[in-house]
Amino acid sequence: GAVVSQHPSWVICKSGTSVKIECRSLDFQATTMFWYRQFPKQSLMLMATSNEGSKATYEQGVEKDKFLINHASLTLSTLTVTSAHPEDSSFYICSARDGGLVNEQFFGPGTRLTVL
Amino acid sequence: AQSVTQLDSQVPVFEEAPVELRCNYSSSVSVYLFWYVQYPNQGLQLLLKYLSGSTLVKGINGFEAEFNKSQTSFHLRKPSVHISDTAEYFCAVRALQGAQKLVFGQGTRLTINP
Repeated sequence: GAVVSQHPSWVICKSGTSVKIECRSLDFQATTMFWYRQFPKQSLMLMATSNEGSKATYEQGVEKDKFLINHASLTLSTLTVTSAHPEDSSFYICSARDGGLVNEQFFGPGTRLTVL
Repeated sequence: AQSVTQLDSQVPVFEEAPVELRCNYSSSVSVYLFWYVQYPNQGLQLLLKYLSGSTLVKGINGFEAEFNKSQTSFHLRKPSVHISDTAEYFCAVRALQGAQKLVFGQGTRLTINP
């Protein structure tokens, strides 16, 4: 099956710094990528949807200036958490959709962000 | 809009026993249905999906699910569970048309006891 990678798998940063998380589709072209946030023992909350070459569409309540998403190519999307604070600590998961007939979403392994 | 309700937040089961994880959904349009599994500190892995055709869908690791349109349900079952099935399970739906975003249920933690 298709593989989606995320880097880093975990990151610890100081409050006020920015953190970039990469999401790559390794063996398919991802026309659409999604970014989710998951709090402990909770479900996934969609943060934004991005299509290659265009601006991301953010869900209601998600600060687009805080969570910068770039989808510059069909295999790479990045999420930058700007001026991170402890409340941004969470598990971030990306997902990529193969635009083929199956139209299935594949999930990355997630990135654990801890802001001190 | 769609919504998904997983009726049990936690399901403890003994090893080799059968299990059913319940999922109900609400939608004004036709949907695709999915079950995902999440192991600790990992992303989601697709167990199975219903797109069309036979309402009984077989997935990986011996799981199966049955789509019941009249009851708007998509319950997940396995006849005999193993310790390795301990994980979080998420039911999700996606509209055939429109935004096509995956909408997840709250998740069910399946714990297999020896």
